Amino acid sequence: SYELTQPLSVSVAPGQTARISCGANNLGSKNVHWYQQKAGQAPVVVIYRDSKRPSGIPERFSGSNSGNTATLTITSAQVDDEADYYCQVWDTTTAVFGGGTKLTVL
Amino acid sequence: QITLKESGPTLVRPTQTLSLTCTFSGFSLATSGLAVGWIRQPPGKALEWLALIYWDDTTRYSPSLNNRLTITKDTSKNQVVLTLANMGPVDTATYYCAQRGPGAPFDYWGQGTLVTVAS
Repeated sequence: SYELTQPLSVSVAPGQTARISCGANNLGSKNVHWYQQKAGQAPVVVIYRDSKRPSGIPERFSGSNSGNTATLTITSAQVDDEADYYCQVWDTTTAVFGGGTKLTVL
Repeated sequence: QITLKESGPTLVRPTQTLSLTCTFSGFSLATSGLAVGWIRQPPGKALEWLALIYWDDTTRYSPSLNNRLTITKDTSKNQVVLTLANMGPVDTATYYCAQRGPGAPFDYWGQGTLVTVAS
């Protein structure tokens, strides 16, 4: 089965750039979606199809995907960005989520 | 405005079958390309995709749970039902339903419902 690997945690100071990786074999050939989940809430899409940002998502969120790694980048991270982040792809007919990364901004 | 809401039992006994209903508004599951899926999240753990049903009744299931899952829809009622057989303590989780557009991520999510498996 296809597996997506994420770091358990990433920590940055406010105003710094946070980068969260998502790794898998030949990931660059797939569309990667990223979700933000704050405590006690349902996930929200912050990036879809590798690098597209839904309306209402701040410009500081961006994404890239090449080779075996996709990256979610949060430029000038804010305290409000503290959350769990999940990458997700479709492996033929199966949806796969990464294990999630806890982003701490302090 | 698109909304989804999960409903069902909060407590299930081991070996029982769980039945959850997702009631949605703001779209029709008769619309080409749309789908509704179920995702769960055990307390403190990661998201796990379970199942998906498309506008044309095509269904997809998690390979690890395929033999226990059934997903159906009632387009006239704007509802999708998920059943998970032979529940065990490891199935304790918050269960979410979510809408997926063509080639899209899960764009819209319900608030989730916590299901506890205990005797």
